[in-house]
Amino acid sequence: QQQVKQSPQSLIVQKGGISIINCAYENTAFDYFPWYQQFPGKGPALLIAIRPDVSEKKEGRFTISFNKSAKQFSLHIMDSQPGDSATYFCAASGTGGGNKLTFGTGTQLKVEL
Amino acid sequence: DSGVTQTPKHLITATGQRVTLRCSPRSGDLSVYWYQQSLDQGLQFLIQYYNGEERAKGNILERFSAQQFPDLHSELNLSSLELGDSALYFCASSDGTTWDTQYFGPGTRLTVL
Repeated sequence: QQQVKQSPQSLIVQKGGISIINCAYENTAFDYFPWYQQFPGKGPALLIAIRPDVSEKKEGRFTISFNKSAKQFSLHIMDSQPGDSATYFCAASGTGGGNKLTFGTGTQLKVEL
Repeated sequence: DSGVTQTPKHLITATGQRVTLRCSPRSGDLSVYWYQQSLDQGLQFLIQYYNGEERAKGNILERFSAQQFPDLHSELNLSSLELGDSALYFCASSDGTTWDTQYFGPGTRLTVL
């Protein structure tokens, strides 16, 4: 049973545009929601993370929006750059599960010039 | 560079064989996680160790086993290999605290022929 649903599967954005990736979860025990960025041939790298006590977190060009009642969270990449072209994974974990991460299926982002 | 090292980088073997993947966590991290990444299953949690003890188990096959040694490095043993075991295997480490950040290694690409 997939517990974190991610969309879209792929996304093409023009340079300078806004990239938006959405995730929805089912397990109400989740209490930590990180986003990972993965380049081909590399391991996932933490981009930004949020906990459910806040509705938004911003770090540079990256923002997470979190809606606890809807059990949804999203990643916004402002002023998208070609170097942002990568696969993005949302994830979730709960303290009751030993902090194991449940990942979404990934979004392949391409930023065109 | 996440500080997590994995060896080997690539592994090609035949069906029915057994292989061992090795992971060295970041300095000071007590927790090690193993994940499998495949095209059809995505990124899936396999197993977690904390300071030598198994802490959580995910979708890990009975043919797979892991352990964490006193120096905190970890090994994932895969036996009776099948074609479907071909995947990227990632190790991640963290300090093991609540909501801890997991840092991923570069992965081992296993190909079973």
